[in-house]
Amino acid sequence: AQSVAQPEDQVNVAEGNPLTVKCTYSVSGNPYLFWYVQYPNRGLQFLLKYITGDNLVKGSYGFEAEFNKSQTSFHLKKPSALVSDSALYFCAVRVSGGSYIPTFGRGTSLIVHP
Amino acid sequence: GAVVSQHPSRVICKSGTSVKIECRSLDFQATTMFWYRQFPKQSLMLMATSNEGSKATYEQGVEKDKFLINHASLTLSTLTVTSAHPEDSSFYICSARAGGREQYFGPGTRLTVT
Repeated sequence: AQSVAQPEDQVNVAEGNPLTVKCTYSVSGNPYLFWYVQYPNRGLQFLLKYITGDNLVKGSYGFEAEFNKSQTSFHLKKPSALVSDSALYFCAVRVSGGSYIPTFGRGTSLIVHP
Repeated sequence: GAVVSQHPSRVICKSGTSVKIECRSLDFQATTMFWYRQFPKQSLMLMATSNEGSKATYEQGVEKDKFLINHASLTLSTLTVTSAHPEDSSFYICSARAGGREQYFGPGTRLTVT
């Protein structure tokens, strides 16, 4: 079984400040972890993924995420938020070697204030 | 990166009619395509998985006679919502995968049933 938790429905941050969007996961095996961003009335855009190797993963648009095995977390971060980062962010997980179908979290709405 | 398109992006239909949504992989051959449904401010719900040339596998609770899926070629899958009702109004997103590659998502289709 695999599951993802995004504990925050909404995250508010001021432009220029660092942002963090939280994600914790549960899988039976080694996890593959993903972050996607969705703008209004659009599909999901891939941001980054962790498969193996370095725990700090760098992705698109200046985002990064840190895989923490002991805390089963994969929080999304950005050093300096932009108003244009305002969107819905989804964390997803699937187990390595299993089905290629990931399980998505419920999403976190990021609002960056000018 | 791999591109997946959906058509139409937005459709309004009357209750009782059927509507077809197309999903195309533009620059790769998709052995597997997925159809998701997303309700406002909620996560993606996997409806079905389709492999080229075979019948789709529907998730529990999804009516296969209502949501007809055809994956006729390696670049095209269609979702037909038959006898649509207002409760079928939703945002439908497809994704496509080739072999061991990850999923690439389409931009989504907003269906409104009046």
